[in-house]
Amino acid sequence: QLQLQESGSGLVKPSQTLSLTCAVSGGSISSGGYSWSWIRQPPGKGLEWIGYIYHSGSTYYNPSLKSRVTISVDRSKNQFSLKLSSVTAADTAVYYCARQRNWFDPWGQGTLVTVSS
Amino acid sequence: EIVMTQSPATLSVSPGERATLSCRASQSVSSNLAWYQQKPGQAPRLLIYGASTRATGIPARFSGSGSGTEFTLTISSLQSEDFAVYYCQQYNNWLIFTFGPGTKVDIK
Repeated sequence: QLQLQESGSGLVKPSQTLSLTCAVSGGSISSGGYSWSWIRQPPGKGLEWIGYIYHSGSTYYNPSLKSRVTISVDRSKNQFSLKLSSVTAADTAVYYCARQRNWFDPWGQGTLVTVSS
Repeated sequence: EIVMTQSPATLSVSPGERATLSCRASQSVSSNLAWYQQKPGQAPRLLIYGASTRATGIPARFSGSGSGTEFTLTISSLQSEDFAVYYCQQYNNWLIFTFGPGTKVDIK
C-alpha cells in the first residue's frame, strides 16, 4: 500500500524559504503514469494545488505561485521536495503531498507550516 | 483558470437521510471531475473520479453524476462517519488543477 509522509520545518520566518520533503513508501516514485503533487490548505480554508512533478522530472506549477515554487525529485531516496521562497503569513497552511493521476490519491497526512517572525 | 463552485456551503442532514451535493464548473470539464471527503484533522480522501467512478474501498452509498459543468455527489443514506467536508476538483485543465470551496455536511 502506497504511503506518503511529509516532513520539514514547521516554522518559517517571513521572506525566507519554506522547504518540505515527501517520502514515498510502498511503491516507486519512478513508476510511470503518475505525477507527484503538493497541495496546501490554509487554516479553516479550502484546497490549493501548488504544482507537480512527473516521473520524468518535468514540472508544472500553479501560475499564482510559479515565480516562488520549485519541486524536485530524489529517486535514490524515493522522495520529492517542495521549496517556496519569499514566504509571507499568507503561506501559512497545512501542506500535503499526494500521488497524482489527474486526481489525487493517496495523500500524506499533511504538515502545518506557520510563517511568523 | 476554471473556477469551481459548490452548493450549499453547509448541508444539515439527519443520519439515514439522503444528501445531495452540487458542484459547478465555470466552463466544461467533460467528466474530468473528482470528489474528496475531508474529516477534521485529516487529509482529504478520494471518493469519486471520472465524475462517477468510485475509488477503491468507497462504499456504494456514495455516487457521482454529471458532466460538462454540472455535477452531483449523492450519499444515499448518511452514516455517522459521513459527516465531513466534501470537495470537488477538476482536472480537465492540466495546467492548473482547481478545487471547489467545499460543502460541509453536518448533523441535523
